[in-house]
Amino acid sequence: TQLLEQSPQFLSIQEGENLTVYCNSSSVFSSLQWYRQEPGEGPVLLVTVVTGGEVKKLKRLTFQFGDARKDSSLHITAAQPGDTGLYLCAGRLNAGNMLTFGGGTRLMVKP
Amino acid sequence: GAGVSQSPRYKVAKRGQDVALRCDPISGHVSLFWYQQALGQGPEFLTYFQNEAQLDKSGLPSDRFFAERPEGSVSTLKIQRTQQEDSAVYLCASSFGIYTGELFFGEGSRLTVL
Repeated sequence: TQLLEQSPQFLSIQEGENLTVYCNSSSVFSSLQWYRQEPGEGPVLLVTVVTGGEVKKLKRLTFQFGDARKDSSLHITAAQPGDTGLYLCAGRLNAGNMLTFGGGTRLMVKP
Repeated sequence: GAGVSQSPRYKVAKRGQDVALRCDPISGHVSLFWYQQALGQGPEFLTYFQNEAQLDKSGLPSDRFFAERPEGSVSTLKIQRTQQEDSAVYLCASSFGIYTGELFFGEGSRLTVL
């Protein structure tokens, strides 16, 4: 069992649709990050959230940290083919811990 | 350099061979991490260095795996007597801070053990 469970594992949608991916845990995190990884590349940081209930927006992407700091979501509005990739959430249990990754959500946006 | 550099990008080894994977982090970054990523999965933590000190090696799957960062810059991950289950992408990441902040990843070294 992974510390961070991501759902869905795979998502294939048409350009222009909205989607939400989830990152859940039974543990409380001091901070949580979302990364995007394209084939043959390393993950690239999208956002860091640290406060329970925090919402951050990055263009068409909206990130939310749960009130209890156990879960997070990523919502994409009007998805585009360029959004295709592997979305990874990663959390730290406390400031002194390693970054633990979820299993990822593989998103494909078809034109 | 401008980013984290890893070499080789691709390595094919026969079962039982030893391999060495190199990571050149961003200049000035104190922290260096190694992760293992199986196909279609998220990265799994292997080991962490703060400068030249290896502070956490709890993720190394067996004593066949060894990592070093002797001068606090370049790091090498060595896998002895490779097995088929070692086939994966090995990602190196560095960060300026200690334990916190953004991780900057290299493109990874894809190891295939035949």
